Amino acid sequence: EVRLVQSGAEVRKPGESLKISCKPSGYSFTSYWIGWVRQMPGKGLEWMGIISPSDSDTRYSPSFQGQVTISVDKSIRTAFLQWSSLKASDTAIYYCARVDHWNYCVDHWGQGTLVTVSS
Amino acid sequence: QSALTQPPSVSGSPGQSVTISCTGTSSDVGGYNRVSWYQQPPGTAPKLMIYEVSNRPSGVPDRFSGSKSGNTASLTISGLQAEDEADYYCNSYTSSSTYVFGTGTKVTVL
Repeated sequence: EVRLVQSGAEVRKPGESLKISCKPSGYSFTSYWIGWVRQMPGKGLEWMGIISPSDSDTRYSPSFQGQVTISVDKSIRTAFLQWSSLKASDTAIYYCARVDHWNYCVDHWGQGTLVTVSS
Repeated sequence: QSALTQPPSVSGSPGQSVTISCTGTSSDVGGYNRVSWYQQPPGTAPKLMIYEVSNRPSGVPDRFSGSKSGNTASLTISGLQAEDEADYYCNSYTSSSTYVFGTGTKVTVL
């Protein structure tokens, strides 16, 4: 069974750093791209970027380029999303997603990580 | 990369059909048959309903169907059921080798 398990909810203050994780299981980690999707409170889905675990090739959506860093650690089969300096506007649910690049869709989703940034 | 345009809401009575449109450009929806659709009930992660314009994953009822004409893709729910009430998002591959979501549509079953 394919599963993407994300790290738990986080509360941080503006200006703080944060790294959240996504650990897939049930398939070959390097065979599928992983994407990160933001959903702000009461709003729609937004692609942040996608990464190939096999070679760390990363593509950011223009709105998120330079704002976050997407990475993987193949040794522990885990993908990461990190911020160096959080803003209140980063408050959102963040989903990781397995990208099926043969069918150009997301076929499995993580459960979501709620990040709250508040002073 | 601008979000694809969807109507904010559609509604229908049980048993009726509703159609959700998803309008992009020749750099995304119009350029590729790589449009997918996702259902997101409140408080849950999205679920894949349609991929590559009109293909249904295993387990998705055949009441859900997809199509595309030019720069606009569509999702049709036939025989609407109460359990279909949710937010729906389209998604397209783009010429930048990335993806873009639609703005989302709330489906209400009257």
